[in-house]
Amino acid sequence: QVYLRESGPRLMKPSGTLALTCAVSGDSIRSTNYWGWLRQSPGKGLEWLGEILQSGTTDYNPSLKSRLTISLDKSKNEFYLTLTSVTTADTAVYFCARGWGSWVGTSYFDYWGQGLMVTVSS
Amino acid sequence: DIQMTQSPSTLSASVGDTVVITCRASQTINNLLAWYQQKPGSAPKLLIYKASTLQSGVPSRFSGSGSGTEFTLTISSLQPEDFATYHCQQYSYDSSFGQGTKLDIK
Repeated sequence: QVYLRESGPRLMKPSGTLALTCAVSGDSIRSTNYWGWLRQSPGKGLEWLGEILQSGTTDYNPSLKSRLTISLDKSKNEFYLTLTSVTTADTAVYFCARGWGSWVGTSYFDYWGQGLMVTVSS
Repeated sequence: DIQMTQSPSTLSASVGDTVVITCRASQTINNLLAWYQQKPGSAPKLLIYKASTLQSGVPSRFSGSGSGTEFTLTISSLQPEDFATYHCQQYSYDSSFGQGTKLDIK
């Protein structure tokens, strides 16, 4: 069984930098899977943020590309999200997930973390 | 960007009913479409990928079909645990999701 768990701050001030960690167990991020971040704003639909392959190749949602970085640490079996210049519009539940696809940006997700609610407020 | 439009936004049904949810893509997506079920406070659960392939462990009352730009999720003989929100996702290019369909009890 594969488990993913998000961790990071639950409350952010506007203009700050959000840094989240996804710890993976039951699979290795060195595998051929893709590792993704998604979010869901309160009462809204799901939004794909981006994903990374074990080689470090990434793909990002064009609407966030200038503010978003996804990286990974194979030695810790973790991957990360960094989102700069956050605003109240970034308030959401953030999910990490394992993806299957033919290339980054073309994955469906079979295992998800439980999600982490992040609120951006002054 | 590929826009995904789901309909209906909400759907009321009874246990035992058969329901159909539709998802339309703004351009062809080569059948690279997935369906998820989400219950309040939980992460989405993968039901179907590649438009019609049932994920392991998902009951056979769930089925997917479609091609090109129009796809459907059919749930036959609704069970109490099926009342949830359903999302479609295209993963042909820079994934995107529909706005979700809430299935509630009539």
